[in-house]
Amino acid sequence: QVQLVQSGTEVEKPGASVKVSCRASGYTLTGYHIHWVRQAPGQGLEWMGLISPNSGGTYYAQKFLGRVTLTRDTSINTAYMELNNLRSDDTAVYYCAREASGASDYWGQGTLVTVSS
Amino acid sequence: QAGLTQPPSVSRDLRQTATLTCSGNSNNVGKQGAAWLQQHQGHPPKLLSYRNNNRPSGISERFSASRSGNTASLTITGLQPEDEADYYCSAWDTSLNAWVFGGGTQLTVL
Repeated sequence: QVQLVQSGTEVEKPGASVKVSCRASGYTLTGYHIHWVRQAPGQGLEWMGLISPNSGGTYYAQKFLGRVTLTRDTSINTAYMELNNLRSDDTAVYYCAREASGASDYWGQGTLVTVSS
Repeated sequence: QAGLTQPPSVSRDLRQTATLTCSGNSNNVGKQGAAWLQQHQGHPPKLLSYRNNNRPSGISERFSASRSGNTASLTITGLQPEDEADYYCSAWDTSLNAWVFGGGTQLTVL
């Protein structure tokens, strides 16, 4: 069955970088776009960007331009999200989600990233 | 980036019907339709419907979606305790080249 399995909890200091992985199983990564969405504590969903694993092409939300990089390694069916220059308000659960028919049909379990000095 | 507009909270009685709304514009909901997601506390979102009223396999027929102009709606009939959750709408915005989400509606089943 289709699964997206994300890497574990991260604790980082302000100014550092974090890289979260999202391993796809049950299907070939290159078949579908992967979106990254975050959710701050008690808040709603916030879209960060998407990657087309087939071409490597990306779209980023304006808010994160220059600070986020989406990549993939098709040989291991894995997508990555790297966020730089972390601030305390980047503390959130980060999700990867597969897009099919214009919607997010499968989601990873989420990765908690805590930014604290 | 501009998002979609949802009422923050809705409350309905057990076994009644709830209709949740999501307002966008001609670049997102009006053009592409909306998807609806359900999220229980501490869990990732779950897709309930896409392209206005297509349900993924395993989603109850009690959930139905529709669209009128730039506003999408999700109707949940025969409310059950397990329907108490946060509901989000989402759509691709062709002007922003971005996925936009609503702020979410917290549904309480009384």
